[in-house]
Amino acid sequence: ETGVTQSPTHLIKTRGQQVTLRCSSQSGHNTVSWYQQALGQGPQFIFQYYREEENGRGNFPPRFSGLQFPNYSSELNVNALELDDSALYLCASSAVAGAYEQYFGPGTRLTVT
Amino acid sequence: GESVGLHLPTLSVQEGDNSIINCAYSNSASDYFIWYKQESGKGPQFIIDIRSNMDKRQGQRVTVLLNKTVKHLSLQIAATQPGDSAVYFCAENQPSGTYKYIFGTGTRLKVLA
Repeated sequence: ETGVTQSPTHLIKTRGQQVTLRCSSQSGHNTVSWYQQALGQGPQFIFQYYREEENGRGNFPPRFSGLQFPNYSSELNVNALELDDSALYLCASSAVAGAYEQYFGPGTRLTVT
Repeated sequence: GESVGLHLPTLSVQEGDNSIINCAYSNSASDYFIWYKQESGKGPQFIIDIRSNMDKRQGQRVTVLLNKTVKHLSLQIAATQPGDSAVYFCAENQPSGTYKYIFGTGTRLKVLA
């Protein structure tokens, strides 16, 4: 186990709704990255947070937003859900905001109907 | 766009044999690479990493080889065990000022008893 936890485990939402996913980073890690993993695909980088600031973003629209808290836990918010948002959402924590190994949580499975 | 790809989507090996999983990357400026293992229902698990100034790195039963000339990465697993059955991803870090990892689509390793 990596020490990275995510909640909830599974979630079902309706198109147009909003969702918040949560992540607690591994102890001592101050950087959290979020990824979207569609079925049968590799994870795709959404964004990264370092010291409560966004530190880079992938090719995702603004309706994907995030927060990082002083204890380094993080939230991923998705507004106006679309069917294609159905995926496994992974968060990964790392010790520094650089080219260091990232430790992934188990993910949240989001289904949009 | 730039991406990380894998040659073989599925690899079947006999228990006890060595496994070799290959990966091609397209961005010659990538400076850091990671191999992850993902079991069903779990997040990716860090296996081994290598920086671009290295050609080879060994871990416990695993070896990563980097050939920058042909932009090729491989993961060798010695004495493959049933517990090695999973999907394996390579990921590259592109030094664009944002530390985000680009993942391939993955290779499924099946260990035959």
